[in-house]
This record gives sequence, C-alpha cells and structure tokens, in this order.
Amino acid sequence: EPEVTQTPSHQVTQMGQEVILRCVPISNHLYFYWYRQILGQKVEFLVSFYNNEISEKSEIFDDQFSVERPDGSNFTLKIRSTKLEDSAMYFCASIGLYGYTFGSGTRLTVV
Amino acid sequence: AQKVTQAQTEISVVEKEDVTLDCVYETRDTTYYLFWYKQPPSGELVFLIRRNSFDEQNEISGRYSWNFQKSTSSFNFTITASQVVDSAVYFCALSLYTQGGSEKLVFGKGTKLTVNP
Repeated sequence: EPEVTQTPSHQVTQMGQEVILRCVPISNHLYFYWYRQILGQKVEFLVSFYNNEISEKSEIFDDQFSVERPDGSNFTLKIRSTKLEDSAMYFCASIGLYGYTFGSGTRLTVV
Repeated sequence: AQKVTQAQTEISVVEKEDVTLDCVYETRDTTYYLFWYKQPPSGELVFLIRRNSFDEQNEISGRYSWNFQKSTSSFNFTITASQVVDSAVYFCALSLYTQGGSEKLVFGKGTKLTVNP
C-alpha cells in the first residue's frame, strides 16, 4: 500500500534556527497538506498545496512558514526562525481516491 | 461554525468491556466526510474509517463499529471486547471543502482511551 513518507522522524533545533521538514507524498496524489499537533492537543490544519501553489492556509501559517515542491516528488515545510511554541508533531498528508493518507509525522522540538 | 466535538476527554475501561466514543459535528455543507483516526503512543495517525454524508448505514469491522446518525449529527465509534492494544487517543474529524478547492480536515480534541488488563 502506498505511503506518505516523512523525514526526519525527530528533529531538535535551537530557537531562531531554520528547519525544513520533508515529505514524499503518494505519487499520483494532487493535493498536499501540512498539519500540526502541539503535544496533548488536537491536530490542526496548516496549509494545503495544489498545482504548485498554496490553495488554503490557516491563521497559524504566518510569514515564518513556507511550503514548496522543489522537484516534483518532495514536499517541504520550512520554518524560518523557530520559536519555542513551534514544538509539535508535524504531519504531511495527501489526498487520493480513498481519502487522506497521513505520514507518520516529524516531532520537532525547539530548545 | 464547522467543528467537531468529542466530549469525552478520557475513558478508562477494563479489558473485554465494550466502549463507545462519542463524536458530534457541525457543518453547513451538505456533502462531507467523517473520519476516525487512532493515535497510539508512538504518535502516528492510523486511519480507521471514512464515511460519506450520504451513507448512513452503520459499519462493522471486526471489533469496531460505527453509528452515523445525521439527525443528531453524530458519528459514534464502539469497540467491542476492548483489548489493551486499543489504548490510544482517538480522533474524530470532519472534511471541509475550502474556497481554494482543497479539502481540509477539522479534528476534534480527541478521546484518550485506556484499557486496563
């Protein structure tokens, strides 16, 4: 069964540093997403991406966040200058015939 | 508002008991999907079910069953004869179509289920 792959599974970074979270969506899927889950809280939508541009973003997705699909297979989320409150699990997802497929997540810890 | 409410924050049962997790949703859309996901301690989201808003038939999959009632905007999940391995956080989610044409999920806050031996 096709999977959405996320790397790394864990990342620790210092406050103020830039991080890039990587995802490889399922190849024939067209819509890609990032979601965030702060520890112990619900999963929240960040951004959706279609046809090489953002189609929707939440109020959480401010100027420090960006997404891109640099090479037709990878889908990345960049956080420019991390804050302590960016510590969370970040999930990538893509949509196909049977609905959403989530990756296993990247746990980001900002220290 | 379009939202999902899981009123039960935590449930604790003894193995072999049946347990029902409640989910109530609000949406203006006439076409939508409802989902249940399991999140074990390892953190990944495990897909359990997707249900179309036009399909109100109940579904059973092994020890799992789902009761969808449009009249009460509920999509409840029952685990029969619970096992320790069922211990996890369970999320109910509602799909929304955005102005940009994408489909985003709105999650409830989750119910933490602990099954004790």
